[in-house]
Amino acid sequence: GQNIDQPTEMTATEGAIVQINCTYQTSGFNGLFWYQQHAGEAPTFLSYNVLDGLEEKGRFSSFLSRSKGYSYLLLKELQMKDSASYLCAVRDGDYKLSFGAGTTVTVRA
Amino acid sequence: DAEITQSPRHKITETGRQVTLACHQTWNHNNMFWYRQDLGHGLRLIHYSYGVQDTNKGEVSDGYSVSRSNTEDLPLTLESAASSQTSVYFCASSERDPSTDTQYFGPGTRLTVL
Repeated sequence: GQNIDQPTEMTATEGAIVQINCTYQTSGFNGLFWYQQHAGEAPTFLSYNVLDGLEEKGRFSSFLSRSKGYSYLLLKELQMKDSASYLCAVRDGDYKLSFGAGTTVTVRA
Repeated sequence: DAEITQSPRHKITETGRQVTLACHQTWNHNNMFWYRQDLGHGLRLIHYSYGVQDTNKGEVSDGYSVSRSNTEDLPLTLESAASSQTSVYFCASSERDPSTDTQYFGPGTRLTVL
């Protein structure tokens, strides 16, 4: 089966930086996704990595190391609206997405 | 605007009843997926379809069925609802190539089985 691990909860202060780690062991690899999910809402796409390295999108960046089975999502200049759950998902060799349980980020004033 | 919708948004039913959750997308996406989301488990794949008349079982397919008669719709049926199927159900779609295209999610259906 697939195994995707990420921390359950993280708390940070408005304006700070938070890094959410994700480690994975899957049968095959065809890309890693990060989604944001506000309480009671649908997951929304944030970023996609298929090659090693850093992808930057405004305040959000995502990093991938395929050899280490590791990714992180970096949230900079935190805002209150960034309080949400962040889901790490890996597309496996059969092209199906497997999700981690999600990391709830709470931003405090 | 193109979108993906789910109905109903909330549903309460009784054990043993048949329930159908609707998913409709207007993006003309080839691929559609059903997931359930439970605390501590993340999103788990129930069924998926890579085109009209194509359906496949996911990780947690027991007790569920789908059919794909057109591009826009992938209804999910619970043949005989069980309390263990109380969950939030999300439909998703992706454009064409399952190996490269991003999945986009509908708003979800909260199902309670009493």
